[in-house]
Amino acid sequence: KQEVTQIPAALSVPEGENLVLNCSFTDSAIYNLQWFRQDPGKGLTSLLLIQSSQREQTSGRLNASLDKSSGRSTLYIAASQPGDSATYLCAVMVPDFGNEKLTFGTGTRLTIIP
Amino acid sequence: ETGVTQSPTHLIKTRGQQVTLRCSSQSGHNTVSWYQQALGQGPQFIFQYYREEENGRGNFPPRFSGLQFPNYSSELNVNALELDDSALYLCASSSGGAQYFGPGTRLLVL
Repeated sequence: KQEVTQIPAALSVPEGENLVLNCSFTDSAIYNLQWFRQDPGKGLTSLLLIQSSQREQTSGRLNASLDKSSGRSTLYIAASQPGDSATYLCAVMVPDFGNEKLTFGTGTRLTIIP
Repeated sequence: ETGVTQSPTHLIKTRGQQVTLRCSSQSGHNTVSWYQQALGQGPQFIFQYYREEENGRGNFPPRFSGLQFPNYSSELNVNALELDDSALYLCASSSGGAQYFGPGTRLLVL
């Protein structure tokens, strides 16, 4: 059974700093890994999708890496801003009889201090 | 291109009642998935529909059921509501790649 872990559960950093969020998963047989952002009480916003054959993806100030063999992914946020405050979730898509099921971690709650 | 929409945004029910939640998929997407997110937890997979057929189910009892329509919109039905069904219900649409989520329906069962 695939399990996804995100550490730390919460993180506070001053505005302007670069930061790294971590995600680990137990089964390396994944199709892809997706990072999401969730604001309080809201839905999920897709940030980056990394296919299993890729090592990283970049979008603006965000960079996500994937190391399937070690079961790890990181989300790097450059020059953090107060608007980056949110919960960040990673999710892996696993082969499961043809369906596209995502297995999520419990998220890292990020607070950027002005 | 329109995004994923869900209705209603909030709902209050009492134990034993039934509820129907609705989702409109992103244009061009033929797969819809439903997830339940309890407070402070990551979303849990309920089930998925592909071209109107159930295409996978998570660890949820049969009182959770769904439908997908020819236009790829979808419904989640929950019968005999229990207090633990209180959660944010999210639907996501996809077409073989990234999943895109709607804003969710917040269900409170009293």
